[in-house]
Amino acid sequence: EVQLVESGGGLVQPGGSLRLSCAASGFTFSSYWMSWVRQAPGKGLEWVANINQDGGEKNYVDSVKGRFTISRDNAENSLYLQMNSLRAEDTAVYYCARDAYCSGGSCYVYWGQGTLVTVSS
Amino acid sequence: AIRMTQSPSSLSASTGDRVTITCRASQGISSYLAWYQQKPGKAPNLLIYAASTLESGVPSRFSGSGSGTDFTLTISCLQSEDFATYYCQQYYSYPYSFGQGTKLEIK
Repeated sequence: EVQLVESGGGLVQPGGSLRLSCAASGFTFSSYWMSWVRQAPGKGLEWVANINQDGGEKNYVDSVKGRFTISRDNAENSLYLQMNSLRAEDTAVYYCARDAYCSGGSCYVYWGQGTLVTVSS
Repeated sequence: AIRMTQSPSSLSASTGDRVTITCRASQGISSYLAWYQQKPGKAPNLLIYAASTLESGVPSRFSGSGSGTDFTLTISCLQSEDFATYYCQQYYSYPYSFGQGTKLEIK
């Protein structure tokens, strides 16, 4: 059974940093692209970033470029999101998701339960 | 970046109704479009990908169509468990993007 379990969320002040983790199990982690998707309270979904199997290719939404870094450790079956220079608008539930090949690109079948990040003074 | 616009933003319907949700892309995305259902406090659930391919295990009352810039999600006979929020997602180019969502409520 595929499982994705996020951790690391919490309350942080504006300008602060936080590192999210996603522990993966039930599949060969090193064979899949992985992504982070977020959802602000009461709002819609926003794709944040993804990373390829060996970590050599990364993509980001413009609003987090230069502040967030996605990475992975295939030996530990773990995905990470290092978030720096956090802003109030980064407040959201952050989901880890496994990329699925959906006839030409990635959509998402497997998601974690999400971890809440709150940026506030 | 490609902007995805859904309409309507909210919709009231009754069990047994047929409903259609529209998603429009700001530029052509071929058929690289997925639809998700999300219930409160839960992660999204993939319904359809490649604009019209039903994900395994999804009831056949859900269907999708379209290509290029205009897409639709149709639920042919609403069931009580279908009242939720629906999102489209383009995966034609980075950054991937979602529509703002359509909340389907009970009339």
